[in-house]
Amino acid sequence: DTEVTQTPKHLVMGMTNKKSLKCEQHMGHRAMYWYKQKAKKPPELMFVYSYEKLSINESVPSRFSPECPNSSLLNLHLHALQPEDSALYLCASSQEITSGPYNEQFFGPGTRLTVL
Amino acid sequence: AQKITQTQPGMFVQEKEAVTLDCTYDTSDQSYGLFWYKQPSSGEMIFLIYQGSYDEQNATEGRYSLNFQKARKSANLVISASQLGDSAMYFCAMRFLKIGNDMRFGAGTRLTVKP
Repeated sequence: DTEVTQTPKHLVMGMTNKKSLKCEQHMGHRAMYWYKQKAKKPPELMFVYSYEKLSINESVPSRFSPECPNSSLLNLHLHALQPEDSALYLCASSQEITSGPYNEQFFGPGTRLTVL
Repeated sequence: AQKITQTQPGMFVQEKEAVTLDCTYDTSDQSYGLFWYKQPSSGEMIFLIYQGSYDEQNATEGRYSLNFQKARKSANLVISASQLGDSAMYFCAMRFLKIGNDMRFGAGTRLTVKP
């Protein structure tokens, strides 16, 4: 299984809602990532998890809360978002981050989030 | 600071012809990896090809090849025999040997294949 899955594919939420994005991989990867991608822009890194521990938080606002309950799952909890948070949210996974820069990241299909 | 530059916002190519997408980078690190990803309109990032900074030979994967010129700090993607399905956004990216090891992307090039 060389697939990263993400649910839901589309999400529309109001600014007062609480929702969660889910990502799952079964490739035995120990590093997982969240990216945010605005239209016509490259993905921007948000969070990196290594062995279920948060290793990088790229100064992301606290209204985004990541969680890695086990080595296969990665969640992104959303609360009190703003319309400018509307974007494509991509999850990725790779082998251990300490094994060097030589491992590609496998991306999921993304969740298209719209905040009203 | 590490920087990745893709100078071609958009490119057109005739079906069955070859096309080169440019990527240059700036880093003082000696150990790094260079990647190309394809992103169709559906949104998924599809890994195409990888080149390590210590690899002496250019990487090839089917119709994709990477023209790696380390001294010039360039890693251009060559797509041979273009197909209509190649129309997509293409991102050049780098990873470095450091804690975090996160991927940094260039701005992207939108390739359109004409029939």
